[in-house]
Amino acid sequence: DAEITQSPRHKITETGRQVTLACHQIWNHNNMFWYRQDLGHGLRLIHYSYGVHDTNKGEVSDGYSVSRSNTEDLPLTLESAASSQTSVYFCASSELGANEQFFGPGTRLTVL
Amino acid sequence: GENVEQHPSTLSVQEGDSAVIKCTYSDSASNYFPWYKQELGKGPQLIIDIRSNVGEKKDQRIAVTLNKTAKHFSLHITETQPEDSAVYFCAATMNTGFQKLVFGTGTRLLVSP
Repeated sequence: DAEITQSPRHKITETGRQVTLACHQIWNHNNMFWYRQDLGHGLRLIHYSYGVHDTNKGEVSDGYSVSRSNTEDLPLTLESAASSQTSVYFCASSELGANEQFFGPGTRLTVL
Repeated sequence: GENVEQHPSTLSVQEGDSAVIKCTYSDSASNYFPWYKQELGKGPQLIIDIRSNVGEKKDQRIAVTLNKTAKHFSLHITETQPEDSAVYFCAATMNTGFQKLVFGTGTRLLVSP
């Protein structure tokens, strides 16, 4: 199974601050994804990447950015955190051409 | 774009009973339908999936059925056990190799001993 880690696991920040959530996978998967999970909305796609230097906007990308400088990492940045971005964030990865996505343990972010 | 609806949002059953979770999708081009299980404090994990050229797939106590005409698919869990208690998500995608999933809103299943 893929191993994918996220850090920090919990984060409290203030409105307006820049926050970066880390995601690291050890399996050299080409595809990486960021989701947010909110009650009543399930998992919604924020950004995704199909390889180094490739990034794409998902369903709810406003206020978020990602960069892919290597295969293993896809950090998610909140440029100016807002209370509406309080959520649980999940990173996932998958092999090129494969359907199964492997999820990290999640980061619970609270914006006060 | 694709839209996936999932029902019910919560489901309580007694141990040993069966549980059924239903999803509908909007895009007739979707042809891959996975189900993920999320235990408390963890990320979702794939438990079973089905492709559009198959009507049913089983794996021990879990099964998934697909009705392409009606654009709905269901997860069936038989002989439920307390460890089946979790949140279950359905998803849909066009199996183009880009694996961009659209998820349902989730069903919290509680299995009581």
